[in-house]
Amino acid sequence: AQSVAQPEDQVNVAEGNPLTVKCTYSVSGNPYLFWYVQYPNRGLQFLLKYITGDNLVKGSYGFEAEFNKSQTSFHLKKPSALVSDSALYFCAVRDMNRDDKIIFGKGTRLHILP
Amino acid sequence: EADIYQTPRYLVIGTGKKITLECSQTMGHDKMYWYQQDPGMELHLIHYSYGVNSTEKGDLSSESTVSRIRTEHFPLTLESARPSHTSQYLCASSEFTSGPYEQYFGPGTRLTVT
Repeated sequence: AQSVAQPEDQVNVAEGNPLTVKCTYSVSGNPYLFWYVQYPNRGLQFLLKYITGDNLVKGSYGFEAEFNKSQTSFHLKKPSALVSDSALYFCAVRDMNRDDKIIFGKGTRLHILP
Repeated sequence: EADIYQTPRYLVIGTGKKITLECSQTMGHDKMYWYQQDPGMELHLIHYSYGVNSTEKGDLSSESTVSRIRTEHFPLTLESARPSHTSQYLCASSEFTSGPYEQYFGPGTRLTVT
């Protein structure tokens, strides 16, 4: 079965430092991977996606993600964290074996410390 | 921001009441979804639709029902609300294509059943 895992429930980073939010996946075939962000009392917002091609994908708000096929990872990164980046982040994978549904990870809460 | 709307944003209602959560999108997307999410937790797919007159149950068993009479409208109904239905309900939509696609989310409805 297709799945994604976010090994960290929470990540704390000082403002101005680089941040990484980890995601690993398990799929058969080529993965279609996504990152979403959720601010308090809001729906999810799409950040970026990997389809094919360049392993470094750039997205909204200065975020980027690195696709690593050998490690089956798709970590979210940002060179310099802002306090406003504090939110809940979800990694997701498209499940092509189950009606093209998107499977979400359990989420990682990112705290940026001023 | 995506053009997908949910009403009401917040609802407090007594046990046994019938409620309908509204979801509309103006993007002409064929696929629509309902997720249930406890605050700050993972998403659970409860219903989805491929298009008009199409409805499918998701991964999480739910006592709610949905309908899709118009492309832009995907309401969710609880015939008899119970405290166990207290949660946040997120509606989403996406294009119905064979390629990779992201889902666009509404702001959510936070439901409290007393």
